[in-house]
Amino acid sequence: EPEVTQTPSHQVTQMGQEVILRCVPISNHLYFYWYRQILGQKVEFLVSFYNNEISEKSEIFDDQFSVERPDGSNFTLKIRSTKLEDSAMYFCASNRQGGKNTEAFFGQGTRLTVV
Amino acid sequence: SQKIEQNSEALNIQEGKTATLTCNYTNYSPAYLQWYRQDPGRGPVFLLLIRENEKEKRKERLKVTFDTTLKQSLFHITASQPADSATYLCALAAFGNEKLTFGTGTRLTIIP
Repeated sequence: EPEVTQTPSHQVTQMGQEVILRCVPISNHLYFYWYRQILGQKVEFLVSFYNNEISEKSEIFDDQFSVERPDGSNFTLKIRSTKLEDSAMYFCASNRQGGKNTEAFFGQGTRLTVV
Repeated sequence: SQKIEQNSEALNIQEGKTATLTCNYTNYSPAYLQWYRQDPGRGPVFLLLIRENEKEKRKERLKVTFDTTLKQSLFHITASQPADSATYLCALAAFGNEKLTFGTGTRLTIIP
């Protein structure tokens, strides 16, 4: 069964450092997302991406965040200068035709720990 | 502001009984609602989707209802099993908007 894969599964970084979280969405999917979940809290939307551009972003997704689809398969989230409060699970998700009618497939997540 | 509440943080149900989870929302007009299962340290896994014009959806032992007047969805697991123990999340999306807004989840434990 096709799945969304994320790497690394766990990343520890020093405050102020840049991190790149990587995702390979399902191959025939067109819509891509990043969500995050701080420990013990709800899953929160960060950004959606379609047709090689951001279609929506949340207030959390400030200038420190960026997304890219550098080739036909990878989808990355970059945090330029990490803060302690960026520590969370980051989930990549994709679906075929936008959220309206289809389920979202989530990856297993990257646990980011900022120290 | 938009608010999505799931009835309780934790719910314990005896094996074989029906588990019923509630999702209430305010200041929101969702086009559809989804239910996901999340195991510890894992990503959400899709279970069911129900649209605003649908009252009920079923899939095997799962049933979802959607009442846009009450602004509520109920999620039922019949003949519950210990393997059903997990956190269940409801997620809403507005018409023409791809993002999902999640509730805080209900941690369900099925007791053998």
